[in-house]
Amino acid sequence: QVQLQESGPGLVRPSETLSLTCTVSGDSVNSYFWSWIRQPPGKGLEWIGYIAYSGSTKYNPSLNSRVTISVDTSKNQFSLKLGSVTAADTAVYYCARYLVRVGLHAFDIWGQGTMVTVSS
Amino acid sequence: DIQMTQSPSSLSASVGDRVTVTCRASQTITNFLNWYQQKPGKAPNLLIYTAANLQSGVPSRFSGSGSGTNFTLTISSLQSEDFATYYCQQSYITPHTFGQGTKLEI
Repeated sequence: QVQLQESGPGLVRPSETLSLTCTVSGDSVNSYFWSWIRQPPGKGLEWIGYIAYSGSTKYNPSLNSRVTISVDTSKNQFSLKLGSVTAADTAVYYCARYLVRVGLHAFDIWGQGTMVTVSS
Repeated sequence: DIQMTQSPSSLSASVGDRVTVTCRASQTITNFLNWYQQKPGKAPNLLIYTAANLQSGVPSRFSGSGSGTNFTLTISSLQSEDFATYYCQQSYITPHTFGQGTKLEI
């Protein structure tokens, strides 16, 4: 059974870089696409970006200049870095598997989420 | 970006009711439309993929339909565990975008 678990600091200072890691168990990061999605308190879901099994990345243009997603195959993890954060980046951050098959393109497995607060 | 608009934003219903949530895309997404259920404090859970396909393990009272720009999620007979927030999401093109959510309340 595939499981994802986010980890990282729960508090980040304004203007600094938010760094999160997602540990994948039951599957290999060398397969599929691996995404980050966030949800501000009381609000909806925003796709941040993904990294493919090939190592290629795709980011939301609204965050493009501040986002980096990378993968560490030796640890079976993928990571998110979001620079120059402000209070608007306060959210629950989810990692998720984006499954791509014939007739299926969806986020089928999610981590439990981790709350990140941007505050001094 | 493709804008996804759900209606209604909230809905009051009772156990046993038949409920329909609609989702409209700002441009055609063919059938690349997914539905998720989210309960408070939990991650979203995939219910329906590619507009009409039931994800494994999801009860058959959930169904989806539509294509192009208009889609619906139907719950045929509400159960107590179905009270949650529902999101549509398009996977036709990046950036992947979600609807604003429909909160289903008693």
